Amino acid sequence: AIQLTQSPSSLSASVGDRVTITCRASQGISSALAWYQQSPGKTPKLLIYDASSLESGVPSRFSGSGSGTDFTLTISSLQPEDFATYYCQQINSYPLTFGGGTKVEI
Amino acid sequence: QLRLQESGPGLVKPSETLSLTCTVSGGSISSSSSYWAWIRQPPGKGLEWIGTVYYSGSTYYNPSLKSRLTISTDTSKNHLSLSLSSVTAADTAVYYCARHRYSGYALDAFDIWGQGTMVTVSS
Repeated sequence: AIQLTQSPSSLSASVGDRVTITCRASQGISSALAWYQQSPGKTPKLLIYDASSLESGVPSRFSGSGSGTDFTLTISSLQPEDFATYYCQQINSYPLTFGGGTKVEI
Repeated sequence: QLRLQESGPGLVKPSETLSLTCTVSGGSISSSSSYWAWIRQPPGKGLEWIGTVYYSGSTYYNPSLKSRLTISTDTSKNHLSLSLSSVTAADTAVYYCARHRYSGYALDAFDIWGQGTMVTVSS
C-alpha cells in the first residue's frame, strides 16, 4: 500500500499567516491526490483534487501543488474558520490511503 | 442536491457483525459518475478507507479488512450497505459513507460525505 506522510503533524499559526502543509507519498502517484479539511466534530470537506484543482465553492486562498511523490497544500491567508485538521489522500491505486493529518491550531 | 445518510446500531457486541446502511437522496446510486465508499475514523484518530463499490457490484476492499468485509448496493432502495464481521474494540469508530466521484476519465476524490455514525464495540 502507498503510504502518505504529512508534515508537520501540527502547527500553530495566526490569522493572516501563510500556511504550508506537505504530503509525501512512498511511491509516485502522478497527480492523484486530494486534500480534505475536517473541523472539530464535523465531516471531512474536499478542498483540492487532482493535486491542484480547487473544488467548487472552496475559497481561493486554498491551493495545492505537486506531482509524483511530493505535494503541498497552501493557505495563503489563514482565516478563523481554517483552524482544523487537514488530510491528504491518494487516489492513484487501491487500497486508497490517507495521510495522518495536520492539525492547524491558533 | 445529493445527500448521504448513514444508519445502523450505535452499539455492537464483540465478535458480532456490524451492519450499516447509507441512503442516497437527491440522486441515483446507479449514476455512472459515482462510486460509493465507506471510511471510518476511530475516536481522536485519522481517516481509514474501508472499501468502495460501484452500483454494478464491483467492489474494492481494504486488504486489512477484506476477510471480514462485505459492501453492496441496492439500487431499488438507492442505498449501499456495509457488513463487518467478528468485530473487536478496534472497530470502534465513526463510520462515514461518501461519493467517490468519477470525472469521466478517472476517479478523483470523495466529494460528498454523510454526517457519519458512531459505532461502539462493547459488551
